Amino acid sequence: DAKTTQPNSMESNEEEPVHLPCNHSTISGTDYIHWYRQLPSQGPEYVIHGLTSNVNNRMASLAIAEDRKSSTLILHRATLRDAAVYYCIRIYNQGGKLIFGQGTELSVKP
Amino acid sequence: DTGVSQNPRHKITKRGQNVTFRCDPISEHNRLYWYRQTLGQGPEFLTYFQNEAQLEKSRLLSDRFSAERPKGSFSTLEIQRTEQGDSAMYLCASSTRDGVSATNEKLFFGSGTQLSVL
Repeated sequence: DAKTTQPNSMESNEEEPVHLPCNHSTISGTDYIHWYRQLPSQGPEYVIHGLTSNVNNRMASLAIAEDRKSSTLILHRATLRDAAVYYCIRIYNQGGKLIFGQGTELSVKP
Repeated sequence: DTGVSQNPRHKITKRGQNVTFRCDPISEHNRLYWYRQTLGQGPEFLTYFQNEAQLEKSRLLSDRFSAERPKGSFSTLEIQRTEQGDSAMYLCASSTRDGVSATNEKLFFGSGTQLSVL
């Protein structure tokens, strides 16, 4: 049970920002939110993670709602290479494995 | 750092045959995971190792499946008496995990082995 909900697909135009939502309404206080993405014909790759505060790295930003029941992955300027399936995953503090849902398939139009 | 390596990339076999896949993790990583992925679905957890110890197996892992990680380095996943339902991408991932906290653990995945059972 992935316990996160994401839209099946989203579209974006190249060079525009993309906001990928994730609902995790049953999240507990110590669960982290991790995002991975999977490019075609490749294994998933780590994107970003956070607990309560918004996080930025070279790939993306993660905005976590104040009540932590939802989060948004932000790609500031989508490129064609960002076309992938994006997975939002809850990590239990004491847990080990990642439980993937179906993710959001992002397509980027030139 | 050459990343996680999986071999072979593709495997075609006939139903009933045995197959074995190999995963070479990133050298200093103590954790190794196996996942299975079918078309249009997210990866499903199968099993994982910390060093040479197999710590958890999914109920998806029937008795036809066995995984090993001798000496805590590379790992093999064997499927005996393959069935058409075993056709999938088999993904391996590795990570470094200190202590019990999973909060900052990042998994590095290989490109997978695509199995087709005819």
